[in-house]
Amino acid sequence: QVQLTESGPGLVHPSETLSLTCTVSGFSLTGYSVYWVRQPSGKGLEWMGRMRYNGDTSYNSALKSRLSISRDTSKNQVFLKMNSLQTDDTGTYYCTRGAMGMDYWGQGVMVTVSS
Amino acid sequence: DIQVTQSPSSLLASLGERVTITCQTSQSISNNLNWFQQKPGQAPMLLIYYATSLQTGMPSRFSGQFSGRSFTLTITSLEPEDIANYFCLQHYNTPSTFGGGTKLELK
Repeated sequence: QVQLTESGPGLVHPSETLSLTCTVSGFSLTGYSVYWVRQPSGKGLEWMGRMRYNGDTSYNSALKSRLSISRDTSKNQVFLKMNSLQTDDTGTYYCTRGAMGMDYWGQGVMVTVSS
Repeated sequence: DIQVTQSPSSLLASLGERVTITCQTSQSISNNLNWFQQKPGQAPMLLIYYATSLQTGMPSRFSGQFSGRSFTLTITSLEPEDIANYFCLQHYNTPSTFGGGTKLELK
């Protein structure tokens, strides 16, 4: 069945870089897009960017200068890197499959930005 | 970016009651809206896609409708397992944007 699992550090220091991995199963990264969505603490959900099935990427303009999404199709993994983290980047980060808009989601990974 | 206004933000309802949640978009998105259910500590689950289509395996008491820029999720008869957070997503263009969520609780 379709599964997405986010992994990464729970704690990041201010100004450092966040690196997250989304490991997928039950579908191919060359057949479906994968999106990153976050929910900063106390705020609503925010679309961060996507890795399309063909390898193209697109980013939320508000995050574009700090964000990079890549993938390793052989490992069924999509990666998110975001630099210059600040405390308001604290929240839960999700990866989702881009079918019918978005269908399957991972459980999310909680990231705290703190010194 | 397309704004999505979801209401109410919280809702108290009784078992067996009909429940309606609404999302209004700032511009026309055709039927490009999904509804999700999320329980604490769990991944969001797709309920309704393209505004009116029930996701496979979801109970038929859930339904979606839309007219113009207004979208509704209806639970015809509330069950205990329906107590959760609900949110909508517009995927007409990028960036996709989300409603603010509705916390559904038992009265």
